[in-house]
Amino acid sequence: SAVISQKPSRDICQRGTSLTIQCQVDSQVTMMFWYRQQPGQSLTLIATANQGSEATYESGFVIDKFPISRPNLTFSTLTVSNMSPEDSSIYLCSVESRDSSYEQYFGPGTRLTVT
Amino acid sequence: KNEVEQSPQNLTAQEGEFITINCSYSVGISALHWLQQHPGGGIVSLFMLSSGKKKHGRLIATINIQEKHSSLHITASHPRDSAVYICAALGGATNKLIFGTGTLLAVQP
Repeated sequence: SAVISQKPSRDICQRGTSLTIQCQVDSQVTMMFWYRQQPGQSLTLIATANQGSEATYESGFVIDKFPISRPNLTFSTLTVSNMSPEDSSIYLCSVESRDSSYEQYFGPGTRLTVT
Repeated sequence: KNEVEQSPQNLTAQEGEFITINCSYSVGISALHWLQQHPGGGIVSLFMLSSGKKKHGRLIATINIQEKHSSLHITASHPRDSAVYICAALGGATNKLIFGTGTLLAVQP
């Protein structure tokens, strides 16, 4: 298994500002994923972050709004830029097991409120 | 129609009751996950299934590949089981998780 931590766990931000969320894994993993969960909704994949390459964004998400870094096999950041109240969500990172068993592990989430 | 459908959306049970949550999917999958989300937002992976049945404590998950259906059962339910339960299908073609909308379970003492 993989143990994932996220920082911050929650934050309240002013509109127009940016927040960077950190995701740390206790083991080396190839694929990391960033999800958004808007209030009352299920999870939506923002992007897939592989070490050593540009993140791959899903339809409706762009790099200028959600830049992602993946400097090594245990760490990634997601920045939510120029925030608006519509960005208020839980942001979760997850990782896929390196043994390709389809297991995915999720972080505790970052609860973001934009005022 | 969503590719992954869950039922019921909301479920209230009395402590000790046997609970079943259903998940149907319409896409080809490599595996199916059952996840638990508590009010704080963090998600715990309960099961990952590609066939048959798995059991962990009071939780049992089954999957019928032919019928494209999975169930999560909770025996002897307890108030601490109160959470949102989410099924997520790992798409065979895309290798990405497709999430159901979740089932909000409340177990009353």
